[in-house]
Amino acid sequence: ILNVEQSPQSLHVQEGDSTNFTCSFPSSNFYALHWYRWETAKSPEALFVMTLNGDEKKKGRISATLNTKEGYSYLYIKGSQPEDSATYLCAFLVSGGTSYGKLTFGQGTILTVHP
Amino acid sequence: NAGVMQNPRHLVRRRGQEARLRCSPMKGHSHVYWYRQLPEEGLKFMVYLQKENIIDESGMPKERFSAEFPKEGPSILRIQQVVRGDSAAYFCASSPTGQNYGYTFGSGTRLTVV
Repeated sequence: ILNVEQSPQSLHVQEGDSTNFTCSFPSSNFYALHWYRWETAKSPEALFVMTLNGDEKKKGRISATLNTKEGYSYLYIKGSQPEDSATYLCAFLVSGGTSYGKLTFGQGTILTVHP
Repeated sequence: NAGVMQNPRHLVRRRGQEARLRCSPMKGHSHVYWYRQLPEEGLKFMVYLQKENIIDESGMPKERFSAEFPKEGPSILRIQQVVRGDSAAYFCASSPTGQNYGYTFGSGTRLTVV
């Protein structure tokens, strides 16, 4: 059974603060790590797909890093805004066989940015 | 580009009835995935399909649940003889060929079994 852990479970920050959270995943049979943002009453929206150890991706004020050898990824948000409030999900994809379509999601980090 | 369309948004069924959930993938996407979110839980994989083929159904309950993605038309997730424990949000996602793309999710179908 694959275990994808996210921490913290929830986070409250003030507008303008920078923040980061963690996703831990199995370091064996790694294929890809996805990050999604899920706003209330909407559907999950893909932020990043990361495949290479040491990868760093950026989209506006949000960036992510990947360490496949130790099995973790960090998501950073610089200068948080109230519209960043959402649940941030990471999901792990294994290599090989027919499981390559099967994303295993973490429980998510709920971010609330207070004005 | 309409994105991933799921219908209905909300579905109420009495115990023992059948539930049919539909998903039209994004245009150009040939891979469809179904996920379930039970109350107070995260997204759990159910099944991965390509046109006319089930690729991985390891997350599907062994009985009462089936999925298809026919040559023409939407993907269907079918739950026979629903029970209260089937009440959940069911999300469909699609992706193009290749594993370096994020999945595009639909808005989900909220199934309530009364």
